[in-house]
Amino acid sequence: DSGVTQTPKHLITATGQRVTLRCSPRSGDLSVYWYQQSLDQGLQFLIQYYNGEERAKGNILERFSAQQFPDLHSELNLSSLELGDSALYFCASSVDGSTGNTIYFGEGSWLTVV
Amino acid sequence: GNSVTQMEGPVTLSEEAFLTINCTYTATGYPSLFWYVQYPGEGLQLLLKATKADDKGSNKGFEATYRKETTSFHLEKGSVQVSDSAVYFCALTKAGTALIFGKGTTLSVSS
Repeated sequence: DSGVTQTPKHLITATGQRVTLRCSPRSGDLSVYWYQQSLDQGLQFLIQYYNGEERAKGNILERFSAQQFPDLHSELNLSSLELGDSALYFCASSVDGSTGNTIYFGEGSWLTVV
Repeated sequence: GNSVTQMEGPVTLSEEAFLTINCTYTATGYPSLFWYVQYPGEGLQLLLKATKADDKGSNKGFEATYRKETTSFHLEKGSVQVSDSAVYFCALTKAGTALIFGKGTTLSVSS
């Protein structure tokens, strides 16, 4: 158990819909990351937050957005969903996002868009 | 930009065989290097890491040495077990940036 908690574990929704994925980082970790894992794209970094502020942005679509709340949990919002958004979405956390910090991953949220 | 290249899989071995999964990286300066493992149906788990040149990371019989001169971080294990069957990802991070992953290598070990 990494200590990173993600909900829901599985989600099936229709095209055009909006979903929210939730992540609770390890106790004491200030930095949260979101990744998307798909068969064709592999593991893609989406976005990173540190102590409530956006720190880095990766390959995140404009239809997607995220935030980190004062209690440090984070949410990833995916809207106008398309079939190609079906993937495993990972949340990860680290102490402060510095180089060399270990980044711990949750078990992921499986999103299926039908 | 920074990138990681790892050998294409799948790698198929018999139990007790020697394992090497090659990983090379492109980055300026001195990134930190990691190996993560993903067992079937599970999330990513940190296997080992190295934060500076010539460091050796080790865990559960797996080892990898940070080689600056060859920009490599190859994963090795002397005797694999069926339970090692999983997907292995090499990754790097630098200056607080998010992890950049290789495409993953699937290992299948048969008894």
